[in-house]
Amino acid sequence: AQSVTQLDSHVSVSEGTPVLLRCNYSSSYSPSLFWYVQHPNKGLQLLLKYTSAATLVKGINGFEAEFKKSETSFHLTKPSAHMSDAAEYFCVVSVRSGNTPLVFGKGTRLSVIA
Amino acid sequence: ETGVTQTPRHLVMGMTNKKSLKCEQHLGHNAMYWYKQSAKKPLELMFVYSLEERVENNSVPSRFSPECPNSSHLFLHLHTLQPEDSALYLCASSQDLSGRSLLSSYNEQFFGPGTRLTVL
Repeated sequence: AQSVTQLDSHVSVSEGTPVLLRCNYSSSYSPSLFWYVQHPNKGLQLLLKYTSAATLVKGINGFEAEFKKSETSFHLTKPSAHMSDAAEYFCVVSVRSGNTPLVFGKGTRLSVIA
Repeated sequence: ETGVTQTPRHLVMGMTNKKSLKCEQHLGHNAMYWYKQSAKKPLELMFVYSLEERVENNSVPSRFSPECPNSSHLFLHLHTLQPEDSALYLCASSQDLSGRSLLSSYNEQFFGPGTRLTVL
């Protein structure tokens, strides 16, 4: 079975400091991994995706994520937080077989303090 | 904008009402999805349509009835809902690369802004 665990339900950082949102996955197959962001009253927007090419993936708005197979992790980082980064972030795994195309984590709410 | 639109954005309905949610994608995708997002719960996949045929139905109650008349439009018909059905309903689309099989490899999905549904 495939699963995603987002280790923190809420992360709070000061503006200008680094952001780390943690995600671990479990998959019987080579996974595709995604990070989505959801701002209040908006739908989900794709930040970045990993699909078995480079293990360090660059996304929009300065975010990056590194796929570490040995640690089954796909943590999301950003060197310097901006107020506009405050949102809900979802780590997602895609499986190549089975009945569920995408498996979503429960989300991490990022707060940015001025 | 992601190229996926949903109407209405907000809906309040009584338990005896019948209403429909509409989703339209302008991306040329061949797969569309309905999700339910409730507070403090993971996103729940409700229905998947690939090439206009339903390929997934995760034991959703029959008071939710999807319809996909063509690859660009998806509806969710609502009938005799319960207060616990109040949630944000999200539509998404993607390009299904391998066809209509359940073993398809699904590409990333593009989401609409959602319909905030309140059932009184």
